[in-house]
Amino acid sequence: DIQMTQSPSSLSASIGDRVTITCRASQSISSYLNWYQQKPGKTPKILIYAASSLQSGVPSRFSGSGSGTDFTLTIDSLQPEDFASYFCQQSYNTPYSFGQGTNLEIK
Amino acid sequence: QVQLQESGPGLVKPSETLSLTCTVSGGSITGNHWSWIRQSPGEGLEWIGYIYSSGSTTYSPSLKSRVIISVDTSKNQFSLRLTSVTAADTAVYYCARRSRSGWITYFDPWGQGTLVSVSS
Repeated sequence: DIQMTQSPSSLSASIGDRVTITCRASQSISSYLNWYQQKPGKTPKILIYAASSLQSGVPSRFSGSGSGTDFTLTIDSLQPEDFASYFCQQSYNTPYSFGQGTNLEIK
Repeated sequence: QVQLQESGPGLVKPSETLSLTCTVSGGSITGNHWSWIRQSPGEGLEWIGYIYSSGSTTYSPSLKSRVIISVDTSKNQFSLRLTSVTAADTAVYYCARRSRSGWITYFDPWGQGTLVSVSS
């Protein structure tokens, strides 16, 4: 099974900051990497698929990069609605697996 | 747009069977893969398995011995059965469509989730 490790597990930042979240796979997954955002009490929402493709309707301040085993999610100029949890997920093979999540909080 | 809604008991006794149904609205269940995913504070997000509208299934090996996912295309529903539950199965259970964009798949949309607690 492929293990997904995110860092940091939590992050404090201010409105307007640029933040980066990292996801590492236990083996190469090419670009089979997705990012989700989850707000408290809400359902996860797809942000980025295929490591760097922005889902329709997602603001352009979100971006993703990486391939192989190392991936990043970057949020430019944090907005109040961006404070949430973020998860990576590999769809390279089953069983599909998720990172443990990064909780982004307001500083 | 496609919407999913989970339904089922919120409380299950240890050793019994957890049963949930996901109703798909705004689109046909045919021609897609449909997943169950759960989320617990201790384990994060865990993929349970998926079913194609034809009925073919793929399960997580860690749960395979206890899971059955089935589909009823006439009702636009698919279901989850998890047998011999323990407290470790307490979680929010989500249903989701496995969507595809070219060669990549991802989960979208998701149901709102339903909390299932295992307790006597």
